[in-house]
Amino acid sequence: GAGVSQSPRYKVTKRGQDVTLRCDPISSHATLYWYQQALGQGPEFLTYFNYEAQPDKSGLPSDRFSAERPEGSISTLTIQRTEQRDSAMYRCASSSGTGRSDTQYFGPGTRLTVL
Amino acid sequence: GENVEQHPSTLSVQEGDSAVIKCTYSDSASNYFPWYKQELGKRPQLIIDIRSNVGEKKDQRIAVTLNKTAKHFSLHITETQPEDSAVYFCAGGGGNKLVFGAGTILRVKS
Repeated sequence: GAGVSQSPRYKVTKRGQDVTLRCDPISSHATLYWYQQALGQGPEFLTYFNYEAQPDKSGLPSDRFSAERPEGSISTLTIQRTEQRDSAMYRCASSSGTGRSDTQYFGPGTRLTVL
Repeated sequence: GENVEQHPSTLSVQEGDSAVIKCTYSDSASNYFPWYKQELGKRPQLIIDIRSNVGEKKDQRIAVTLNKTAKHFSLHITETQPEDSAVYFCAGGGGNKLVFGAGTILRVKS
């Protein structure tokens, strides 16, 4: 694909509802990252995948957050029982290799608002 | 874990002047330091990066320097233009995990 895409671009939900965000990485990119970006702040690491494997999920704020990438391409981030503090921009990024220091290309993000 | 601090939080310069943004990091094992530019409402985009085996890298008007001993790195933009106005983020890490600074809002006044 031309770049990393994410859907939906905007999501408004009520507290207590579950939401699922989708990321479509650059075609053939092995590694996919999820970040949370609060307004006026830098992206904060949530988790990443090397193909289907999820070696590090240390950044997920609670067990209400989960992510998967079952076929090593598209990934979803699910937030269960949403809370107002979950409101943020959620961005994914992808990189071509599985090694260190590979350039990460960011998606446009999903703006989540929890009412 | 890694901690990255970025200064200043806002920077205003006159068009044509230089701008310098500084970051410090805490983990001596970090070996990769990218800089991202984020325009209003847009996604972060990589503008330059440096790895720990070099001390300086330049790309036209943009340069980055790295001091591993002091654990700090800096972004230098020369001959600033209005289109350089944006939020700039530094990041540091190793492996597959990047820690980002809080960002610097750069305003270039014409």
